[in-house]
Amino acid sequence: EIVMTQSPATLSVSLGERATLSCRASQSVSNNLAWYQQKRGQAPRLLIYGASTRATGIPARFSGSGSGTEFTLTISSLQSEDFAVYYCQQYNNWYTFGQGTKLEIK
Amino acid sequence: EVQLVESGGGLVQPGGSLTLSCTASGFTFDNYAMSWVRQAPGEGLEWVSAISGAGGFTYQTDSVKGRFTISRDNLKRTLYLHMNSLRAEDTAVYYCAKEPFASPGDAFDVWGQGTLVTFSS
Repeated sequence: EIVMTQSPATLSVSLGERATLSCRASQSVSNNLAWYQQKRGQAPRLLIYGASTRATGIPARFSGSGSGTEFTLTISSLQSEDFAVYYCQQYNNWYTFGQGTKLEIK
Repeated sequence: EVQLVESGGGLVQPGGSLTLSCTASGFTFDNYAMSWVRQAPGEGLEWVSAISGAGGFTYQTDSVKGRFTISRDNLKRTLYLHMNSLRAEDTAVYYCAKEPFASPGDAFDVWGQGTLVTFSS
């Protein structure tokens, strides 16, 4: 099983600032990597697939990068609605998720 | 509007059975692979099972093999998860999720709102 490790577990950032979230795979997943946002009491929402392609309707302030084993989700200028938990997921060999990064207001 | 609506969750006893349903609307259901993903209280996401668009291929995570069965009725636009020999560690919100292609192996582009399975003592 491919293990996905996200860091940090919690990230405190001010409104308008940049947030950078990391995800590492235990073996190469090529670019078969997705990012999801989950707000309290809601279902996850797809943000990024193919490591760097924004899903339909996702604002341009969200961007993804990386390939192989190292990936990054960047939110360029945090809005109040962006504070949530973010999960990475590999789908190169079935599906496994990271444990999540909680993005909170500083 | 593309929508997935789960139902069938509830209170069960260890060793019991339950069937979850997920009804789809707003897209051609049999063109897309579907999965069940669960989330234990306060925990992260765990993929449970997937099925191809036509229903001919199914896959499960090891912890549910032999206990859970995924199926679909494309005429009814409904996905199912038949759960047997339930354990306390199966307590979770169960989400159905759609993939963008007929064969499993991609990101989940649409999610339902989830249905909760909990255990009685």
